Amino acid sequence: DAKTTQPPSMDCAEGRAANLPCNHSTISGNEYVYWYRQIHSQGPQYIIHGLKNNETNEMASLIITEDRKSSTLILPHATLRDTAVYYCIVRRQGGSEKLVFGKGTKLTVNP
Amino acid sequence: DAGVIQSPRHEVTEMGQEVTLRCKPISGHDYLFWYRQTMMRGLELLIYFNNNVPIDDSGMPEDRFSAKMPNASFSTLKIQPSEPRDSAVYFCASSLWGAGGNTIYFGEGSWLTVV
Repeated sequence: DAKTTQPPSMDCAEGRAANLPCNHSTISGNEYVYWYRQIHSQGPQYIIHGLKNNETNEMASLIITEDRKSSTLILPHATLRDTAVYYCIVRRQGGSEKLVFGKGTKLTVNP
Repeated sequence: DAGVIQSPRHEVTEMGQEVTLRCKPISGHDYLFWYRQTMMRGLELLIYFNNNVPIDDSGMPEDRFSAKMPNASFSTLKIQPSEPRDSAVYFCASSLWGAGGNTIYFGEGSWLTVV
């Protein structure tokens, strides 16, 4: 079972920041927060992950609360191509640790 | 860099026929995963390998499904005999366990329709 809770859908205007929330209140100390997205008809795409510090890469920023019970994925300037289902997943770092996908958030970026 | 490569991208077959899906993981990766996605059940892990050895096949739905990894650069998922309820998108993914963690990268999927 997925250990995260995400809103089923969100909308965002093109060019604006998209802030996608995720609750993971039962996260363990050695579990990371991973974000993937799936654009229609494509395979899941890795976005970013973090343990407790905020992270940023060329795609997005990840803000994790101090108690680590929730996080927010930020797409700073959303484009139409960012329309996708976004999955928040908690997972340990071991090689054998699986990715368990929940239902995710369907983000629609509107022109 | 070449990502995870899957073939065929689309397959339509008749019930009862054998289906073989193929995957080439990212070079150097030591973990390989097979996932299935349907509208009803979402993304499910079927089986994964480490260094070509199957580690966990608890997600394989039944004996009609089998997976092999004869070498580090090739894996197959076989369904025999196929049934209409096997219609789904099958994703292969790979990762490398190392100091940087083990981010899993997915292929574009094989779309299977069993009629």
